[in-house]
Parts: sequence; structure tokens; C-alpha cells
Amino acid sequence: GQQLNQSPQSMFIQEGEDVSMNCTSSSIFNTWLWYKQDPGEGPVLLIALYKAGELTSNGRLTAQFGITRKDSFLNISASIPSDVGIYFCAGTNYGQNFVFGPGTRLSVLP
Amino acid sequence: DSGVTQTPKHLITATGQRVTLRCSPRSGDLSVYWYQQSLDQGLQFLIQYYNGEERAKGNILERFSAQQFPDLHSELNLSSLELGDSALYFCASSGDGGGVEQFFGPGTRLTVL
Repeated sequence: GQQLNQSPQSMFIQEGEDVSMNCTSSSIFNTWLWYKQDPGEGPVLLIALYKAGELTSNGRLTAQFGITRKDSFLNISASIPSDVGIYFCAGTNYGQNFVFGPGTRLSVLP
Repeated sequence: DSGVTQTPKHLITATGQRVTLRCSPRSGDLSVYWYQQSLDQGLQFLIQYYNGEERAKGNILERFSAQQFPDLHSELNLSSLELGDSALYFCASSGDGGGVEQFFGPGTRLTVL
């Protein structure tokens, strides 16, 4: 079946640093999504990408839909303690059969 | 608060038992999705309903079933429970069948002893 890979699996950064993470797939998707999950809570949608090559920002977060439609990237600028959590990418075609990556666990050191 | 509610929050039961998890989507959302998240794992898509009809099926075991009722709430039924079924079960809703922006509930933590 379809699988997504996320890298890195986990990262420890200093407060104020920028963060980059990516998500790759063996299959093409026409929509990419990035979610953040805090411990014990449901994922929260951060950014949705609908077009290959698209670059979308949400505050300090910027995500890009790769031109091959098989990858996506998420950047967080000037990290703060509340950025701690697990970041999941997800791919879907026409809103069906959502596939989630295993997540990138982010820790921010003060 | 996403507007999606799930009950119960926690559920502890024994192997071989059957449980029902309940989800109420955001007001106006027609699609409901169910996911399973095992410890330190990603989300596994189980099943999607749209306006009462099954729309898509993922990695859902035959021991599991779901339905969406006329008032759009959904239930996930898990039967003949095994230890490996212990997980967080999330429900998400979106605006229509093609809506991709899903809003997740707080989850139900199922523990099978």
C-alpha cells in the first residue's frame, strides 16, 4: 500500500532556531497536508497544499508541495517552546484514502 | 477546540469483549473519518463515511465496523478485542465528500487487558 516517509524522525533544537522537515512518498498525491499533534490530543491541521510547486505560509510555518507531487516540506522559523510536538504529513487524492507519515517529533530546548 | 466530540475519552476492557466508540462531527460536516494510532505510531486510516454512506475503506479489520447515522454522528464498533487493539482512536470530520481539511476530535484511548 501507499506509504509516507518523514525525516528526520526526531529533532532537538534550540529555541529561536529554524526547523526543516520533509515527507516523501512512493505515490503521487494531489493534496498534501501538515498536522501537529500535542501529547494526548488529536492532530491539528497546520497547512494544506493543493498544487504542485505551491508554497504556503501560516505564521512562522511555511510548507511546499513538491513539483514531483511525491514530496512536501515544512519549515518552522524562529522556533518557540510551544512548537514542541509531533508533526505529521498526510497525502490524499480527492479527499479519499488519507495516508499519514510516521511523524517527526520536535523538541525545543530553552 | 475542533468542534468534533468523541466519547468516551478512556475505555478499559478485556480481551474478547466488544466496545463502541462514538463521534459527533463539527456542525454541518458531512464526512467522518476514523483513525487508529498505536503507541508512538502514525495514524492509520480505517474508514470514511459521507452523509451516511461508506465512502472509503483503509486498513480496517473485519472485527471492526462503523456506521454513520442520519444525524451524522458515527460509531466505530470493535469486537473480539485483542491486546493489540489497544490504541488511540480518532475521529475527524470535513465539510463534504471532497473536503480534505479534516478536523480531529480528542480521541478515545482504548486499553485492552
